[in-house]
Amino acid sequence: DVKVTQSSRYLVKRTGEKVFLECVQDMDHENMFWYRQDPGLGLRLIYFSYDVKMKEKGDIPEGYSVSREKKERFSLILESASTNQTSMYLCASSLSRVRAFFGQGTRLTVV
Amino acid sequence: EDQVTQSPEALRLQEGESSSLNCSYTVSGLRGLFWYRQDPGKGPEFLFTLYSAGEEKEKERLKATLTKKESFLHITAPKPEDSATYLCAGRGGGSEKLVFGKGTKLTVNP
Repeated sequence: DVKVTQSSRYLVKRTGEKVFLECVQDMDHENMFWYRQDPGLGLRLIYFSYDVKMKEKGDIPEGYSVSREKKERFSLILESASTNQTSMYLCASSLSRVRAFFGQGTRLTVV
Repeated sequence: EDQVTQSPEALRLQEGESSSLNCSYTVSGLRGLFWYRQDPGKGPEFLFTLYSAGEEKEKERLKATLTKKESFLHITAPKPEDSATYLCAGRGGGSEKLVFGKGTKLTVNP
């Protein structure tokens, strides 16, 4: 079965810190995604990547950047963490036109 | 802009009481309507993909259907272990992005 692994389940960071969230998939999927999930707002797409070194902004990219140097790894970077970035972050991967597989999520708290 | 709307936001059922969840979509050139189940504190887990109007998929007590404007997730004789948030997502033409609805939180009481 496909495995999408996020580096941390829980993370607490201070305001202003640079934060890296890592995601690795083991099935050679070309597409990878970062979503954040907040109560009442659902899943919102931050960035996605359809190939190595290729990326596209999602609906809420402000305050975030991404890196995809290898096909299996997709990193989300919070350049300067703020309290409004406290959220559940979900990584996903997929082949073209078929279902996406999700990681277990990282609950990030910025204090 | 592509949009997916789920209703109701929350649904409480008694064990054995069948019902349906609704997902209406305006997704240009739909290339897949997806249903996921999400338990608290976990990532979404895939349930079904539907590609064309009239298509139906079944798994245990769940059955998903698709029309040109909406999808339904029918739950027959639910059990407490079916309690979860059910998410619907659409993928439009020309993009691999999934647009999600806000979900329906289902609670099944014993």
